[in-house]
Amino acid sequence: EAEVAQSPRYKITEKSQAVAFWCDPISGHATLYWYRQILGQGPELLVQFQDESVVDDSQLPKDRFSAERLKGVDSTLKIQPAELGDSAMYLCASSSDDMTEKYEQYFGPGTRLTVT
Amino acid sequence: GENVGLHLPTLSVQEGDNSIINCAYSNSASDYFIWYKQESGKGPQFIIDIRSNMDKRQGQRVTVLLNKTVKHLSLQIAATQPGDSAVYFCAETFDTGRRALTFGSGTRLQVQP
Repeated sequence: EAEVAQSPRYKITEKSQAVAFWCDPISGHATLYWYRQILGQGPELLVQFQDESVVDDSQLPKDRFSAERLKGVDSTLKIQPAELGDSAMYLCASSSDDMTEKYEQYFGPGTRLTVT
Repeated sequence: GENVGLHLPTLSVQEGDNSIINCAYSNSASDYFIWYKQESGKGPQFIIDIRSNMDKRQGQRVTVLLNKTVKHLSLQIAATQPGDSAVYFCAETFDTGRRALTFGSGTRLQVQP
């Protein structure tokens, strides 16, 4: 069964350093999402891509976060500089444009970030 | 492994019993509702969905009930099994181009063998 891949699975960094996360969605899925999940809470959207275009980045802290999906396939989320409050799970999800399953988002295993 | 929710409300049931997990959603204009299961160290996994024009939908061992009057969603799991132990989240979205999910607060389900 096709899965969303993410790397690294775990990342520990010091505050003020730069970090980057990578996501490879399910093949053929045009829509890609990055969510942040703080321990004990539900995921919250950071950015949504439709192919290579950003559809929604209204919740992305743009002073320190950036995201790209240059060829409309895999995607990178970057934080620079990292702050203590960025410690969280970063989840990538993808969905198909197939009208019979357009609401179903498939999540990757996430990257657990710890900022010290 | 990863502990998804340290401070989540917890529902503890015996194996074989039925479980009911409740969720209050936020937006009366939402078109579509989904239940996700999240096991320790993993991303959320789709369980079942329901459109806003329905009040009940059944899957395999699971049933979702939607009460739009009070903005309430519930997930019923029949004959709960140890493998059902996880954190459960409800989510809502719209029938438009922006299909990002808005997640509710989760509930930890613990199944006692």
